[in-house]
Amino acid sequence: AQSVTQLGSHVSVSEGALVLLRCNYSSSVPPYLFWYVQYPNQGLQLLLKYTTGATLVKGINGFEAEFKKSETSFHLTKPSAHMSDAAEYFCAVSKAGGTSYGKLTFGQGTILTVHP
Amino acid sequence: EAQVTQNPRYLITVTGKKLTVTCSQNMNHEYMSWYRQDPGLGLRQIYYSMNVEVTDKGDVPEGYKVSRKEKRNFPLILESPSPNQTSLYFCASSPQVTYEQYFGPGTRLTVT
Repeated sequence: AQSVTQLGSHVSVSEGALVLLRCNYSSSVPPYLFWYVQYPNQGLQLLLKYTTGATLVKGINGFEAEFKKSETSFHLTKPSAHMSDAAEYFCAVSKAGGTSYGKLTFGQGTILTVHP
Repeated sequence: EAQVTQNPRYLITVTGKKLTVTCSQNMNHEYMSWYRQDPGLGLRQIYYSMNVEVTDKGDVPEGYKVSRKEKRNFPLILESPSPNQTSLYFCASSPQVTYEQYFGPGTRLTVT
């Protein structure tokens, strides 16, 4: 069974500081990995994804994440936080084939607060 | 406009009264999915569909049914709702599971 763990339900940073949101996954087969963002009272929006190829992936709004197979991690980073980054972030994993291909498992979410 | 629509947006009902939440997309997407969102638990997938007449269970399918008779529609059925199904529900669609999912606006369901 696949699973996702996001370390830290709340992360608080100052504007201009580094943003680091942690995500670890478990999967019996090579995974597809995603980061989504949810702004208040809205649906989710894709920030970035890893399917195959380069392990460092860049997304929208200056975010990037690195797939580290040996650490089963897919942490999300942004060099300099902006007030508009305040939102809830979700990491998700799906299987790259096999049974239950199509099943998408999300983490519990991390609420990012950005202080002036 | 490309979109995923859900109806109703808000619903208050009583235990045991069957209900259906509709989901429709106009993007000709093959993949559709239902999620529930609860505080501290994130999004949990209820059911997904890879294509017409192909559905499969997600992580929390108990108490729910779905059908995919047409490509554009993917209704969520609660045959006998219970208070623990009070939640915010999202429908989503995408060309494939590996592509960005487009989310509907959400349906807030309260079961008393």
